[in-house]
Amino acid sequence: GAGVSQSPSNKVTEKGKDVELRCDPISGHTALYWYRQSLGQGLEFLIYFQGNSAPDKSGLPSDRFSAERTGGSVSTLTIQRTQQEDSAVYLCASSPRKLGRSLNFGPGTRLTVL
Amino acid sequence: GDSVTQMEGPVTLSEEAFLTINCTYTATGYPSLFWYVQYPGEGLQLLLKATKADDKGSNKGFEATYRKETTSFHLEKGSVQVSDSAVYFCALSDENYGGSQGNLIFGKGTKLSVKP
Repeated sequence: GAGVSQSPSNKVTEKGKDVELRCDPISGHTALYWYRQSLGQGLEFLIYFQGNSAPDKSGLPSDRFSAERTGGSVSTLTIQRTQQEDSAVYLCASSPRKLGRSLNFGPGTRLTVL
Repeated sequence: GDSVTQMEGPVTLSEEAFLTINCTYTATGYPSLFWYVQYPGEGLQLLLKATKADDKGSNKGFEATYRKETTSFHLEKGSVQVSDSAVYFCALSDENYGGSQGNLIFGKGTKLSVKP
């Protein structure tokens, strides 16, 4: 079946602009995660949604970052007033249960802030 | 807090060589442990996992044993192939602790290059 999809695959923006990154999880997966992958830094947890529960936002690096998940499916990660240090690959993953036993990752969105 | 430490790369091996990528963890609960792999140009994929002490995860010739006494989950393969060239990530999920954590904590990744 279809895997996790993300769009756009690449995004180049100017410093100070807002960007929105989209994630379509696998149908029926109740948990959705956003991670950031920076060169040499591994994967950094950003935010996690589980069903209708309040999201775990503990990994968001600043208040410029926010995320929504509408209808328990599609999620949008928004970065306001982008900075050069926001440049990274943003990965979305979904899981059929709360915890990470079978995370399915999307291909990522490569964000470049000029 | 919980953390994962894995050996830094890059690791370069010749085909058919033996591979070990070290991974150790720190966790307050009873984590599940994972190895994920990212092939060039592709997304992360689960390679193998172990959910309790002494479990051995295996897949595609790779193995890792959950060692609680040494808090380790080292990845091994007896004979690597060029197609194994990728970045390997060790990760833990503290799901059995029952706490608020619901995410995977990843190591920084180890890049493996296998030469023919």
